[in-house]
Amino acid sequence: DIVMTQSPLSLPVTPGEPASISCRSSQSLLHSKGYDYLNWYLQKPGQSPQVLIYLASSRASGVPDRFSGSGSGTDFTLHISRVEAEDVGLYYCMQALQTPYTFGQGTKLEIK
Amino acid sequence: QVQLQESGPRVVKPSETLSVTCSVSGGSIRNFYWSWIRQPPGKGLEWIGYMYDGGATSYNPSFKSRTSISTDTPRNQFTLHLSSVTAADTAMYYCAREDSSGYFVWGRGTLVTVS
Repeated sequence: DIVMTQSPLSLPVTPGEPASISCRSSQSLLHSKGYDYLNWYLQKPGQSPQVLIYLASSRASGVPDRFSGSGSGTDFTLHISRVEAEDVGLYYCMQALQTPYTFGQGTKLEIK
Repeated sequence: QVQLQESGPRVVKPSETLSVTCSVSGGSIRNFYWSWIRQPPGKGLEWIGYMYDGGATSYNPSFKSRTSISTDTPRNQFTLHLSSVTAADTAMYYCAREDSSGYFVWGRGTLVTVS
């Protein structure tokens, strides 16, 4: 199985400040199509996860442009340019390259 | 806009089979991958398996042979069956559609307690 490792696991952030979350995979997530099959999800309190970023750097429809994704191969990062109060929740990376699909442990973003 | 709704018993007895159904509206279940994911209380996400177009399936080996996914194409539904459950199977169970770009569109989830 591909192991996904996130850091940090807890992320207190002052509103308006930037934030970033790292995700590393135990194997390259590069598909033969030329894309990295790495997704980022946000699970707000009491809700199901919602996609933020897919294919490592493509922003999903309706997602604010303060969210961006970067990286390739085994190292990926989710960037939030200016954190807002509504961004609190659990952030998960997930690899969709091969089954079993696997998730990172989750990063809890909280507002200072 | 596709919508997914999970349904099933809230409580299942140990050693019995847990069955949760996903009803899909706003689109056909044909020609897509449909997954089940679970999240134990206060814990992370675990992919259980998927079904494709009422035929091919793939299951997480960590569930060994306890898992199966069945389909009712005319009713646009698919069902997760997890046998020989224990307290460790208590979780929120989500169904999800896999987009062609590999990301999930999730249902709201249903909490199943084994007790």
